[in-house]
Amino acid sequence: AQSVTQPDIHITVSEGASLELRCNYSYGATPYLFWYVQSPGQGLQLLLKYFSGDTLVQGIKGFEAEFKRSQSSFNLRKPSVHWSDAAEYFCAVANKGSGTYKYIFGTGTRLKVLA
Amino acid sequence: NAGVTQTPKFQVLKTGQSMTLQCAQDMNHNSMYWYRQDPGMGLRLIYYSASEGTTDKGEVPNGYNVSRLNKREFSLRLESAAPSQTSVYFCASRETGSNYEQYFGPGTRLTVT
Repeated sequence: AQSVTQPDIHITVSEGASLELRCNYSYGATPYLFWYVQSPGQGLQLLLKYFSGDTLVQGIKGFEAEFKRSQSSFNLRKPSVHWSDAAEYFCAVANKGSGTYKYIFGTGTRLKVLA
Repeated sequence: NAGVTQTPKFQVLKTGQSMTLQCAQDMNHNSMYWYRQDPGMGLRLIYYSASEGTTDKGEVPNGYNVSRLNKREFSLRLESAAPSQTSVYFCASRETGSNYEQYFGPGTRLTVT
């Protein structure tokens, strides 16, 4: 069965430090991959997505992610974290359902940023 | 253009009570989804709908029913609420075609006592 694993439940970084959030997926075909961010009490906002082509994708708020097929990974990175990046981050994969695509989410990584 | 809207924002139910969570989108999307979010478990798909009049079970459908009466609206019904259904519920919709991006509503926080 398809699955998405986010191995880090919590990550703490200092403001200005670099960030990498890990995501591994299990899916037979070419995956459609997403990263979402959720601020406390809010809905989910799409950061970036990968469908095909260039394996390094740029998103909003200075985030990027790299698709590595050989490692079944789609890790999210940011070179310099801001205090406002403190939130929960979810990786997701889309796969074919009945007449449309359905989505499997990872369990999330909660990011804390130290001033 | 309001995107995806959900009502109510908060609800408290007693065990055994029923209620319907409403979701509407004004983006002319064909596909709509209901998720629940629980701490440490991410988002889990309850039901989804590829188009008006069609619905399919997701990962955790037990205890829920859905209705897709028209293209805009997709409702989620709890017939007999249980404490295990205490959660935050999100509705989402997806553009038709090859853009696989979902758009999420603000969520409904449901507590069952």
